Amino acid sequence: QKEVEQNSGPLSVPEGAIASLNCTYSDRGSQSFFWYRQYSGKSPELIMFIYSNGDKEDGRFTAQLNKASQYVSLLIRDSQPSDSATYLCAAVPNDYKLSFGAGTTVTVRA
Amino acid sequence: NAGVTQTPKFQVLKTGQSMTLQCAQDMNHNSMYWYRQDPGMGLRLIYYSASEGTTDKGEVPNGYNVSRLNKREFSLRLESAAPSQTSVYFCASNSNQPQHFGDGTRLSIL
Repeated sequence: QKEVEQNSGPLSVPEGAIASLNCTYSDRGSQSFFWYRQYSGKSPELIMFIYSNGDKEDGRFTAQLNKASQYVSLLIRDSQPSDSATYLCAAVPNDYKLSFGAGTTVTVRA
Repeated sequence: NAGVTQTPKFQVLKTGQSMTLQCAQDMNHNSMYWYRQDPGMGLRLIYYSASEGTTDKGEVPNGYNVSRLNKREFSLRLESAAPSQTSVYFCASNSNQPQHFGDGTRLSIL
C-alpha cells in the first residue's frame, strides 16, 4: 500500500464550478501535508500546505485536514481553465521525507 | 534568483551508457532530493541528502548513485543505464518544508 493515495481522475468540471480532490494517507504520525500543482511538462509547484485539523483557505483554494480519518482534501472554487493540471498530494511521515500520491488530473471545461 | 537548476534538460542514452545528472540550488538549503516521475506513479524518491556530507537511499535507489559535492550541488549518476530508467528526473531542495523543485531532466534510454 502506498503511503499516500489519490484518485487518478481525470476529474472534469465546468468553468466556475468547485473541483474537489481527495487524498488519504497511511502513516498516522504524518504531521505536514502539501498540495502541489503540476502542469504538463513542468515541475511541481506548491499551492497549499496544512498542518492542523480543519480548513485553510488561500484565495480560491481551500485545504482540509482530518487527522482522525487520515484524509486531506483540496477544494478549488470558481474553477478556471488555467486550473487544468495534475494535483499532487504529499505527506511527511515519521521519517521526515515527503511521500507523494500519484496525482489527480483536473480538466476545467469552458 | 535561479532557485534549483538541473542540467541537462533532455538526454537520450543507449543501454549500458553512463550519465550524471547535475543539480544546483542557490537558496542555501540544507537538504536536497532526487525523484523520478513515471506516468501513473507520482514522484518517487531515489536518494536524498539531509545535509552536506550525508546521503541516504529513498524508495527506488537501485541503479543509481549520488554525490553531495557541497551544500549547493547534488548529482545523480547512472552507471549503466537501462530502459527501465527512462523517466523524468526532478531535483528538489529545502531547509524546512516545503520543497522547491527544479525544471526536470527528461531522460530516455534506448
